Amino acid sequence: GNSVTQMEGPVTLSEEAFLTINCTYTATGYPSLFWYVQYPGEGLQLLLKATKADDKGSNKGFEATYRKETTSFHLEKGSVQVSDSAVYFCALYSGGGADGLTFGKGTHLIIQP
Amino acid sequence: NAGVMQNPRHLVRRRGQEARLRCSPMKGHSHVYWYRQLPEEGLKFMVYLQKENIIDESGMPKERFSAEFPKEGPSILRIQQVVRGDSAAYFCASSPPSSGRTGELFFGEGSRLTVL
Repeated sequence: GNSVTQMEGPVTLSEEAFLTINCTYTATGYPSLFWYVQYPGEGLQLLLKATKADDKGSNKGFEATYRKETTSFHLEKGSVQVSDSAVYFCALYSGGGADGLTFGKGTHLIIQP
Repeated sequence: NAGVMQNPRHLVRRRGQEARLRCSPMKGHSHVYWYRQLPEEGLKFMVYLQKENIIDESGMPKERFSAEFPKEGPSILRIQQVVRGDSAAYFCASSPPSSGRTGELFFGEGSRLTVL
């Protein structure tokens, strides 16, 4: 079956630091890959996505590249802000079934001023 | 254009009571998904519905849990005889009709159930 593994948190960084949150996946076929973000007390919001190998998704300074050879979709940002503090979920959608998205467990990111 | 609306935002129940959680999808969306988020865990798929149809309930516990999405009105997730282990955040998400399915879901703010 499909699965998503992402690095354990919490991840604590200082403002303006470089961010990497690792994500690897197992899936049949050619899934689409997503990063969702959950700010405190809110629902999930789509941050970025990539639908095929070597695609790069980007939004709000965040980037992730779909690497089929390493089955990875690591999230990066060059300079984080306090407002980036949230829980980040990597997810995949294989489209073959009706069970929607498969999510990782989430990585809690804390940015200190 | 309102987003996905869930209510109540917070619900407290005693063991053995019933919990009903409601979800109104975004305008124009006919697919509804329910997910459960346990403390310190990611989201787990529960059920996928279209109007008047349950498409996939493979993630739903076999007992005490049920879901519906009637022709009129919101989708409802119903938990009978709640137990402490049901305490969680329940998120509803919606997506456009089949032709637009890309895996991109629009989430509500969640309903947080606490069972005393």
